[in-house]
Amino acid sequence: SQTIHQWPATLVQPVGSPLSLECTVEGTSNPNLYWYRQAAGRGLQLLFYSVGIGQISSEVPQNLSASRPQDRQFILSSKKLLLSDSGFYLCAWSAGFTEAFFGQGTRLTVV
Amino acid sequence: KQEVTQIPAALSVPEGENLVLNCSFTDSAIYNLQWFRQDPGKGLTSLLLIQSSQREQTSGRLNASLDKSSGRSTLYIAASQPGDSATYLCAVMASSYKLIFGSGTRLLVRP
Repeated sequence: SQTIHQWPATLVQPVGSPLSLECTVEGTSNPNLYWYRQAAGRGLQLLFYSVGIGQISSEVPQNLSASRPQDRQFILSSKKLLLSDSGFYLCAWSAGFTEAFFGQGTRLTVV
Repeated sequence: KQEVTQIPAALSVPEGENLVLNCSFTDSAIYNLQWFRQDPGKGLTSLLLIQSSQREQTSGRLNASLDKSSGRSTLYIAASQPGDSATYLCAVMASSYKLIFGSGTRLLVRP
């Protein structure tokens, strides 16, 4: 069966520090991969999505970047965090035009 | 640009009541629509997926309908229970595999 792993679960980082969040999927190949951010009490904002290795679509120009170094690995990064980067980050995958599944999320607090 | 709206933003009902959550989208060129549940501080759990060629899907006490031409979907919850309390989100997938979310409906079922 397919599973998605996202880590860490919580993270507290100082302003100006780098960020790397990792998401991996098991049990499938060539998944669509997604990164979302959720502000407190709000909906999900699509940040990046990828339909294949090296293919990244950016939805919101900002202080973040994404990479897909392997088929089932999706990484969200920042060189210098801002206070406004705080939030709940969620990774998801889908196989083509089918059901999407989410990881458990990373709560990032920038201090 | 696809926009997804959910009404109401919040809902409080007594246990046992039947209820309807609404989701609307501006671009009818979708491949599927998915309903999710999110408990506080957690990731998203998939409830129902409706492909664009389908009109409805059912799972237990949940029934979701899709009217693609009018850009609307409803999630019907029968005989609500306190355990149904959560935020319910709908999302549509476009031809680019982009998955766009509404802002959600926060549901509270009172014992």
